[in-house]
Amino acid sequence: EAQVTQNPRYLITVTGKKLTVTCSQNMNHEYMSWYRQDPGLGLRQIYYSMNVEVTDKGDVPEGYKVSRKEKRNFPLILESPSPNQTSLYFCASSFSRSNYEQYFGPGTRLTVT
Amino acid sequence: QQQVKQSPQSLIVQKGGISIINCAYENTAFDYFPWYQQFPGKGPALLIAIRPDVSEKKEGRFTISFNKSAKQFSLHIMDSQPGDSATYFCAASSQAGTALIFGKGTTLSVSS
Repeated sequence: EAQVTQNPRYLITVTGKKLTVTCSQNMNHEYMSWYRQDPGLGLRQIYYSMNVEVTDKGDVPEGYKVSRKEKRNFPLILESPSPNQTSLYFCASSFSRSNYEQYFGPGTRLTVT
Repeated sequence: QQQVKQSPQSLIVQKGGISIINCAYENTAFDYFPWYQQFPGKGPALLIAIRPDVSEKKEGRFTISFNKSAKQFSLHIMDSQPGDSATYFCAASSQAGTALIFGKGTTLSVSS
């Protein structure tokens, strides 16, 4: 089954404790992206990757890091989480960058206390 | 210029009615306009998309109307059903761009 998986689905952590949210896709997609979803703000892009070892900032990259060492994986790293990073996070992938259907993962709900 | 403005923020429609969600954009380089549907606890999923060379696209009860001169596009849901209750996002992108630009979303509730 073609899918994007994310882990964990739910995470409660404390300020400053490094965490990683994993994302994996099995569709051989070149383009992968991370979004955060907040009430009233919609979906905002954090980082994206157009291929292996090619990553760039989206609209709200502060406080986040990413890496793309393999085509299928695109982890999101919060090195020192803060309460304003409490949000619902989605990973997405597509065949190419902008003009193709993006497939979204199920989401990771992160709470930073 | 990169924004996509979506309205209304929330919408309540009776079963069998027509739901209409509107979006407007500024960047004339946008050439792909999808709508995504998101159910609670799920990620968004592509519902229907249009390119600016056509003015309308219909898939079942869902229709996108596109007005290139006004830089507006809208989603019409005919015969709305309780199962259509979800959050809907419009979006736009261009060949030269690197991302889908999403509207802020519309929460649709269809009452039975």
